[in-house]
Amino acid sequence: QKEVEQDPGPLSVPEGAIVSLNCTYSNSAFQYFMWYRQYSRKGPELLMYTYSSGNKEDGRFTAQVDKSSKYISLFIRDSQPSDSATYLCAMSGSGAGSYQLTFGKGTKLSVIP
Amino acid sequence: AAGVIQSPRHLIKEKRETATLKCYPIPRHDTVYWYQQGPGQDPQFLISFYEKMQSDKGSIPDRFSAQQFSDYHSELNMSSLELGDSALYFCASSLGRAGGGEQYFGPGTRLTVT
Repeated sequence: QKEVEQDPGPLSVPEGAIVSLNCTYSNSAFQYFMWYRQYSRKGPELLMYTYSSGNKEDGRFTAQVDKSSKYISLFIRDSQPSDSATYLCAMSGSGAGSYQLTFGKGTKLSVIP
Repeated sequence: AAGVIQSPRHLIKEKRETATLKCYPIPRHDTVYWYQQGPGQDPQFLISFYEKMQSDKGSIPDRFSAQQFSDYHSELNMSSLELGDSALYFCASSLGRAGGGEQYFGPGTRLTVT
């Protein structure tokens, strides 16, 4: 079993919909939780960065972390066709030997006009 | 804003050849990470450097080596290339390692081994 599980989709929604993306993880040492957006054949782009449990909002994006359930979410409000991409969750620890990111498989999202 | 620069962007090599990938971090960033992303796969961590010293090591084959130079750029050297080495190679940089660090990725180098 992978340390980070993410439903690969694909996920197709109409423009303006609320999108919910999720990851679960098994390593309780993870302290930092990130969401990256990756367009085809491009580098991952950092969207949200959260430490420990809680919520973080940035424009149309909201990240939630529930460490007790080992579950993280990314919500996209008023989704746009330009949001069509693969969304990767990533996690890391905070001590020596644990700064590298462990990624989920990524969820491919299509927002239909 | 300046981003992570990687060169070359595309590289085609034959089996058993060598390849060198370069990474130039965001200015003032002192930590560099290398990841390998196979087709349809998530990025896998290879190796990282902090202040020119190897910091962490992941699933990097013994045929690969890397280093970080005094100007903080990093090079990934790959020898005896195999078909399975064909992948996107990403470099990411961050300011320090404390707190995990927000890692910013470059555009990647697409390596094709024939």
